[in-house]
Amino acid sequence: EPEVTQTPSHQVTQMGQEVILRCVPISNHLYFYWYRQILGQKVEFLVSFYNNEISEKSEIFDDQFSVERPDGSNFTLKIRSTKLEDSAMYFCASSDSLAETQYFGPGTRLLVL
Amino acid sequence: KNEVEQSPQNLTAQEGEFITINCSYSVGISALHWLQQHPGGGIVSLFMLSSGKKKHGRLIATINIQEKHSSLHITASHPRDSAVYICAVRRGSNYKLTFGKGTLLTVNP
Repeated sequence: EPEVTQTPSHQVTQMGQEVILRCVPISNHLYFYWYRQILGQKVEFLVSFYNNEISEKSEIFDDQFSVERPDGSNFTLKIRSTKLEDSAMYFCASSDSLAETQYFGPGTRLLVL
Repeated sequence: KNEVEQSPQNLTAQEGEFITINCSYSVGISALHWLQQHPGGGIVSLFMLSSGKKKHGRLIATINIQEKHSSLHITASHPRDSAVYICAVRRGSNYKLTFGKGTLLTVNP
């Protein structure tokens, strides 16, 4: 069965460093999403991406964040200058239409020191 | 007030029991999702509902749009059902999902 994959599974970085989280969505899906979950808290929407552009973003998704689909298969989330409060599990998801189920990747656990 | 409220927050059951987890939401929605999060953190989509009822194996999800309420039922619960069950809603033509805090289910053998 097709699945969403994410790399790396864990990343430790120093405050102020840039990180890139990578996702490979299911191949025929058109809608892509990033979510985050701070330890012990609920999952929060960050951004959705469709037709090579951001379709919706949350107030969390400020200028420090960016997304890209560089090569038609990967979907990346970049955090330009990480803060301690960016420490969280980041989930990528994809769906083949807005009205369909979103399939989640296994997550990247980011720790900012 | 959270847009999505789940109850109970924690639920402990004995193997074989019938489980019900509830989700209430405060806004009009176009779809409601039930998700399962395993102890390792991975999230699996269980159901997406916009009306009525869906069944998959021992899992049943129902939604009452007028009452803004959904339930997830697990029949003949098993220890492998132990996980966090999360309700999430999508509004109108928006892309984002808004999540509840989750219900931690522990099924003891």
